[in-house]
Amino acid sequence: KAGVTQTPRYLIKTRGQQVTLSCSPISGHRSVSWYQQTPGQGLQFLFEYFSETQRNKGNFPGRFSGRQFSNSRSEMNVSTLELGDSALYLCASSPLSGTQDVGYTFGSGTRLTVV
Amino acid sequence: AQSVAQPEDQVNVAEGNPLTVKCTYSVSGNPYLFWYVQYPNRGLQFLLKYITGDNLVKGSYGFEAEFNKSQTSFHLKKPSALVSDSALYFCAVKMGYQKVTFGTGTKLQVIP
Repeated sequence: KAGVTQTPRYLIKTRGQQVTLSCSPISGHRSVSWYQQTPGQGLQFLFEYFSETQRNKGNFPGRFSGRQFSNSRSEMNVSTLELGDSALYLCASSPLSGTQDVGYTFGSGTRLTVV
Repeated sequence: AQSVAQPEDQVNVAEGNPLTVKCTYSVSGNPYLFWYVQYPNRGLQFLLKYITGDNLVKGSYGFEAEFNKSQTSFHLKKPSALVSDSALYFCAVKMGYQKVTFGTGTKLQVIP
């Protein structure tokens, strides 16, 4: 059974550019969540999608957006990149959302460096 | 609002000794609690969860955690530490349909 696939693994972008990250969840998983991990802030929740609908949203500016497709694959987009956006972006999938949570399966992440 | 605290940034333990990584939580209600482990340059791996029932939860790689409602704690434990257990450990809490909130992580260093 394939795991959670995040592409690309590494990315270097210039300040002001935009970037799109992709996440393919485990087959059959309908919930996808995104987290930003930085040494100083730990894991910060970005958003959660379930069946193409955003279920939860974290406290990030509007420059951060996401979406989920009918096949459960998800993308997140960051526009007008800032140096502080440099981080490891983690995607996590689970089969269900809400009270029947069985825990996440994480991808290996996309390391974004903004220069 | 839900929150989780990991009071220790780093825990050092000698190989073969028991280890404990601490976690406390704050929620209004009955939480779901999780432990994850992260190795360098990798995503997080699920270790174990508490949903309901027995307060002692057993998970992967010989780890276990004890849910203590009165102390609002969910400490991770292992009877005998291995050098390969050295990693970053995260506690997490979830209430119903809310997001999963992670602690800041505790670096475990097992000394040979």
